[in-house]
Amino acid sequence: QVQLVQSGAEVKKPGASVKVSCKASGYTFTGYYMHWVRQAPGQGLEWMGWINPNSGGTNYAQKFQGRVTMTRDTSISTAYMELSRLRSDDTAVYYCATAYYDILTGLQNWFDPWGQGTLVTVSS
Amino acid sequence: QSALTQPASVSGSPGQSITISCTGTSSDVGGYNYVSWYQQHPGKAPKLMIYDVSNRPSGVSNRFSGSKSGNTASLTISGLQAEDEADYYCSSYTSSSTLDYVFGTGTKVTVL
Repeated sequence: QVQLVQSGAEVKKPGASVKVSCKASGYTFTGYYMHWVRQAPGQGLEWMGWINPNSGGTNYAQKFQGRVTMTRDTSISTAYMELSRLRSDDTAVYYCATAYYDILTGLQNWFDPWGQGTLVTVSS
Repeated sequence: QSALTQPASVSGSPGQSITISCTGTSSDVGGYNYVSWYQQHPGKAPKLMIYDVSNRPSGVSNRFSGSKSGNTASLTISGLQAEDEADYYCSSYTSSSTLDYVFGTGTKVTVL
């Protein structure tokens, strides 16, 4: 079955960077876009951007432009999200989630399935 | 781009039906049939319940249904069960220049 397994929790100091991984299995990695969504403690969901694992192309929410980098390693079916210049308000659970892309019908506009989430805590 | 507006909480007794609203604008909910709904239990990842306004993924109970009218989408849960107690989020594609997808503020569903 389709499964996304993310890396473990991280604790970082303000100003540092964090890189979260998301390993996919059970489907053709390059056939699905990978989205990243975060959720601050007790708050709602926030879309950060996506990467096309086939081409490496990316699309980031303007809020994160210049601080986020999404990459992938197709040899191990893994996507990465790196966030730099961390602040305390970046403390959140970061999720990866897939969306199918078809050359005829385009990108499916929903997220399924999701990884289990990675808690990133930013604290001095 | 503001988050889509959902009621903070909705409650109902077992067996009853409840409806959660999700209000946006003509740039998101009203402009596209790309509304999806997610269920999130405490400490768990969100789970897709409805996509493209009213489609149910395989494996999701037919007690869950979605609809849309103008700039407001709705999720209805019929025959409410204890296991339905969770947070629910809507999401929509948006034509905003700053991001592609926007989520709702979230609704806590309580089964009385």
